[in-house]
Amino acid sequence: GIQVEQSPPDLILQEGANSTLRCNFSDSVNNLQWFHQNPWGQLINLFYIPSGTKQNGRLSATTVATERYSLLYISSSQTTDSGVYFCAAQTRTGANNLFFGTGTRLTVIP
Amino acid sequence: DGGITQSPKYLFRKEGQNVTLSCEQNLNHDAMYWYRQDPGQGLRLIYYSQIVNDFQKGDIAEGYSVSREKKESFPLTVTSAQKNPTAFYLCASSRDRRETQYFGPGTRLLVL
Repeated sequence: GIQVEQSPPDLILQEGANSTLRCNFSDSVNNLQWFHQNPWGQLINLFYIPSGTKQNGRLSATTVATERYSLLYISSSQTTDSGVYFCAAQTRTGANNLFFGTGTRLTVIP
Repeated sequence: DGGITQSPKYLFRKEGQNVTLSCEQNLNHDAMYWYRQDPGQGLRLIYYSQIVNDFQKGDIAEGYSVSREKKESFPLTVTSAQKNPTAFYLCASSRDRRETQYFGPGTRLLVL
């Protein structure tokens, strides 16, 4: 299956700071999603973004499909942004399963 | 409210016992999925179903079984053949296989 690599693995920010999370994938994709997993384990959809740029409040995401990477931007971070951010990718060929990276653990301190 | 529910929230399994995890959705989605998450890891696909009465193995199906008798329901059985079942289990659904997947709150399974 497709390989999905996320960086950095861990990130600690002061409240109000900005950050960029990166997701690299090894094949062409027809589905690329970003999720936030809160401390209770719930996975929340952030973006469905196989290509292009989307924004939702303080969060935005960009996928450059031709170069096989996606970026998640968090601006003016808040303590409620803490948790693990996962990128997941699905290819056009093969079994079409959604493959997850190992995540970026974000801790925002007051 | 539309969404995905999973029960129970916590489940304890004794050695040699089969246990069943429940997943229900009222989103009218055709596709449903079961994932397993181990500490510090991403999610791995156990089984998926694209339509009622049809399901396919994912990447780690050994020791698990599923059924899809109703569109709304996709229960997962962890059998005694699964030697390392302790994990967090997440159910998801989507309109079809290429669309956004939405996740339930998860079930934590522990072996006694």
